[in-house]
Amino acid sequence: DGGITQSPKYLFRKEGQNVTLSCEQNLNHDAMYWYRQDPGQGLRLIYYSQIVNDFQKGDIAEGYSVSREKKESFPLTVTSAQKNPTAFYLCASSIGRADGGYTFGSGTRLTVV
Amino acid sequence: DQQVKQNSPSLSVQEGRISILNCDYTNSMFDYFLWYKKYPAEGPTFLISISSIKDKNEDGRFTVFLNKSAKHLSLHIVPSQPGDSAVYFCAASDTMNYGGSQGNLIFGKGTKLSVKP
Repeated sequence: DGGITQSPKYLFRKEGQNVTLSCEQNLNHDAMYWYRQDPGQGLRLIYYSQIVNDFQKGDIAEGYSVSREKKESFPLTVTSAQKNPTAFYLCASSIGRADGGYTFGSGTRLTVV
Repeated sequence: DQQVKQNSPSLSVQEGRISILNCDYTNSMFDYFLWYKKYPAEGPTFLISISSIKDKNEDGRFTVFLNKSAKHLSLHIVPSQPGDSAVYFCAASDTMNYGGSQGNLIFGKGTKLSVKP
């Protein structure tokens, strides 16, 4: 079955360490997205990529970095520059048109201690 | 500045009654709208969508209404069931934006629906 996989489900890191969240899809989708969810804040766009080897900053890109070397993969690195990294992170993919909707992964809960 | 607003953070209804979730938008270029449902610690799942050429779309117990002049849409769930308890996100898109962000969805902050037995 096609889908989008985020791993791990839960991640703990010490303050000051970089951490990379994995996102893989086998839906043959061109576009991929990273969102962050905080209580009362809804879904805020961190980065998105509409095609391999290209990506764009979203609304809250500071302290994050991404790469898109393969169509299937869009890893997100949370760097030590991110002031409040503890959050629920969601990855999504789409065919690149709004009427295709997004398919979301199940999320990664990152806790920085 | 929020382009998609869900002004009610929470809504509580009795099982069997109607749930009405509201969403307002400010960008008149938005022409496609979607509703997603999200359970805790899970990713959102697509529920229903509507194009701006329509004013209503129905799928089983779920109906979305679009009022373009008021820049308002609503999701009706009839009858509501306890399993409908979740956070509902409204999303919108300007599908004709070819500046590189076509296909991107703008999400509201969500409304938490609680359906009581």
